[in-house]
Amino acid sequence: EPEVTQTPSHQVTQMGQEVILRCVPISNHLYFYWYRQILGQKVEFLVSFYNNEISEKSEIFDDQFSVERPDGSNFTLKIRSTKLEDSAMYFCASSSGQGKGYTFGSGTRLTVV
Amino acid sequence: GESVGLHLPTLSVQEGDNSIINCAYSNSASDYFIWYKQESGKGPQFIIDIRSNMDKRQGQRVTVLLNKTVKHLSLQIAATQPGDSAVYFCAEQLDDYKLSFGAGTTVTVRA
Repeated sequence: EPEVTQTPSHQVTQMGQEVILRCVPISNHLYFYWYRQILGQKVEFLVSFYNNEISEKSEIFDDQFSVERPDGSNFTLKIRSTKLEDSAMYFCASSSGQGKGYTFGSGTRLTVV
Repeated sequence: GESVGLHLPTLSVQEGDNSIINCAYSNSASDYFIWYKQESGKGPQFIIDIRSNMDKRQGQRVTVLLNKTVKHLSLQIAATQPGDSAVYFCAEQLDDYKLSFGAGTTVTVRA
């Protein structure tokens, strides 16, 4: 069964450093998403991406965050200057169309120290 | 989705019994709902979905019920197994792009 692949599985970074989280969505999917989950809390929407541009973003997705699809297969989330409160699980997801269920990756656990 | 009244953060169920997990959603205009299962250290895994033009949908050992009048969603798991132990989230699709997740119910299956 096709999977969404995320790397790394765990990233530890110092406060103020830049991090890039990587995702390889399912190959024929057109819609891409990033979500995050702070430990013990619910999954929160960050951003959606379609046709090489951001479709929608939440209030969490401020100027420190950016997304990119640098080639035909990767989808990245960059946090320019990490803060302690950015520590969370970050999930990438992709979908084949509007109004359809997503496939989530296994996540990257980001720990900011 | 939000949790009002009927939502329980934890559910302990005897192996072989049926489980019912409840969720209340917030937007009466939402037309697509999904149940996800999340095991420890993993991403949400799709279980079953339902559109607002239906009130019931069945899968393998799972049934989702939708009551639009009271904005309530439930997931029924038949003959619960140890592998069903996980956190279960309902999600409503608010528009074409994003999901809003509920608070989650941790299901523990007792042997």
